[in-house]
Amino acid sequence: GEQVEQRPPHLSVPEGDSAVIICTYTDSATAYFYWYKQEPGAGLQLLMSVFSNVDRKEEQGLTVLLNKKDKQLSLNLTAAHPGDSAVYFCAVSANTGANTGKLTFGHGTILRVHP
Amino acid sequence: NTKITQSPRYLILGRANKSLECEQHLGHNAMYWYKQSAEKPPELMFLYNLKQLIRNETVPSRFIPECPDSSKLLLHISAVDPEDSAVYFCASSRTGNERLFFGHGTKLSVL
Repeated sequence: GEQVEQRPPHLSVPEGDSAVIICTYTDSATAYFYWYKQEPGAGLQLLMSVFSNVDRKEEQGLTVLLNKKDKQLSLNLTAAHPGDSAVYFCAVSANTGANTGKLTFGHGTILRVHP
Repeated sequence: NTKITQSPRYLILGRANKSLECEQHLGHNAMYWYKQSAEKPPELMFLYNLKQLIRNETVPSRFIPECPDSSKLLLHISAVDPEDSAVYFCASSRTGNERLFFGHGTKLSVL
């Protein structure tokens, strides 16, 4: 089945700096890519979604890059602020094959943005 | 996210039977149960699309899902085990292969 590796597991950046989180996946049929944010004791908030025909997407201080050749997905938070501190998960799913309709998550990155 | 409501928010059980409930007000066709154990990512348990069970991952038989209509999802749990302590998230998507929206979760603690 699909394997998703996410790094780093922990990330601490000063306020105003960028934070970059990277995921790699294994299934060539993977077509949908997501980034979720989870604050303590809360559910998962969808940040960005990308389909496989998109290489780059920017929204509200977030940039998602997709490198299908290397099966790599990244999230860049530009000018991070303390309110961005949370756990971030990448998640992927396929539109064909055994992983259709199944969202597979990375193990998460605990981001801390300090003043 | 108030468009997917889950109840109860917290559940403390001994070896009892209980049901978790979820309702979505997004008009979505697909609904999911995910389990998130401490410091782990969510893992899919069940997926329904148009009230049909589409995916049933390797889940102990003491967990029984039910989808009475396309906006509601139940998870019946019998004779819980300590390994069942986790947060159970309900989620929905428009067609079953699009972005998922999650509820706030039910935190289950097994004594």
